[in-house]
Amino acid sequence: AQSVSQHNHHVILSEAASLELGCNYSYGGTVNLFWYVQYPGQHLQLLLKYFSGDPLVKGIKGFEAEFIKSKFSFNLRKPSVQWSDTAEYFCAVNLLYNTDKLIFGTGTRLQVFP
Amino acid sequence: DGGITQSPKYLFRKEGQNVTLSCEQNLNHDAMYWYRQDPGQGLRLIYYSQIVNDFQKGDIAEGYSVSREKKESFPLTVTSAQKNPTAFYLCASRIQSSYNEQFFGPGTRLTVL
Repeated sequence: AQSVSQHNHHVILSEAASLELGCNYSYGGTVNLFWYVQYPGQHLQLLLKYFSGDPLVKGIKGFEAEFIKSKFSFNLRKPSVQWSDTAEYFCAVNLLYNTDKLIFGTGTRLQVFP
Repeated sequence: DGGITQSPKYLFRKEGQNVTLSCEQNLNHDAMYWYRQDPGQGLRLIYYSQIVNDFQKGDIAEGYSVSREKKESFPLTVTSAQKNPTAFYLCASRIQSSYNEQFFGPGTRLTVL
């Protein structure tokens, strides 16, 4: 069965530190890739997405992610985190043969301290 | 102001009672989804509906039921058959396109006592 793995369950950083959250998926076909963020007390919202083209995609609030097809990875990065980035981050994959469903990873909880 | 509303935000029920969670959207989206979110398990799909009067089971449909009588509404019933119903429930919808970008509601936290 297809799955999405987020190996970092809980990440703690100081402000201005660099961030990289891992995301790997297990499916050999064509995929769409997403990162969603859930700030404390807020809706789950889309951070960025990849459908095709440039494998380096930029999202809101200075986040970016790189799709490496050979590694089945879509890691999320930010060069300098802020306290307001404290949230839970979810990677999700959509298989193009079944566009109805998103498969989510288990999430990474990020805590940023001032 | 377009969006997805879920009510109530917090819900408490006694064990053995059925409970219905509301989800309404005014985005004119065709497809709607229900997810369950548990700590450390991410989001798991319960049911989804692509069009009115049609819905499909997701990965963890047992103990749940849905209806889709109107395009804007997709209520979820948590029945007494659901073994572990205490969780955070999220409703989502999407526009019909090839990208499957889903938009989420604020969620309902259900606690069964």
